[in-house]
Amino acid sequence: DAGVIQSPRHEVTEMGQEVTLRCKPISGHDYLFWYRQTMMRGLELLIYFNNNVPIDDSGMPEDRFSAKMPNASFSTLKIQPSEPRDSAVYFCASSLENTGELFFGEGSRLTVL
Amino acid sequence: AQKVTQAQTEISVVEKEDVTLDCVYETRDTTYYLFWYKQPPSGELVFLIRRNSFDEQNEISGRYSWNFQKSTSSFNFTITASQVVDSAVYFCALRDDYKLSFGAGTTVTVRA
Repeated sequence: DAGVIQSPRHEVTEMGQEVTLRCKPISGHDYLFWYRQTMMRGLELLIYFNNNVPIDDSGMPEDRFSAKMPNASFSTLKIQPSEPRDSAVYFCASSLENTGELFFGEGSRLTVL
Repeated sequence: AQKVTQAQTEISVVEKEDVTLDCVYETRDTTYYLFWYKQPPSGELVFLIRRNSFDEQNEISGRYSWNFQKSTSSFNFTITASQVVDSAVYFCALRDDYKLSFGAGTTVTVRA
């Protein structure tokens, strides 16, 4: 079975550019999560969706960040404009139910110069 | 407020030694779920174990075992007879209110 698929795996961009990260959750999973991992702040939840609807976006750092889930098999996290402090590994995860384990993608490593 | 606290930042052991990782959590919910994840040097996050709040029975799964004590809000994890491949960052996590909150992680280094 395919796991959570994220793209791109690595992204290097310059400050001010738009960045779009993509995620395909495991088929049949109702919950989708976006996390950010940095050395300073560890793993932070940015936003999560249930049945394609954003439920809690309180972790989104600022208006430069936005996330969408147009259908059950696809989600995007967009940063516009990007800044060097956005450099991190961004993980997408999905789960079958609200009590179960999260299955993570391999992550997208973003470097903003 | 920090929901999950992993007081140990780094642990270094020699192969075949046992390793116990401490985790203390905080929640107001009566129903919640606890997890351990592993992040090897390759970077992916791998699910290891899950425990719900109404089942305090401790279990063993292969070389992994865990000790869940609601009275002290602790969910400790032990690797028995450690191997070099166990070298990774281990995260304790709490799922309440639908969201999964992670501790800061404990880096385990197993030396040959």
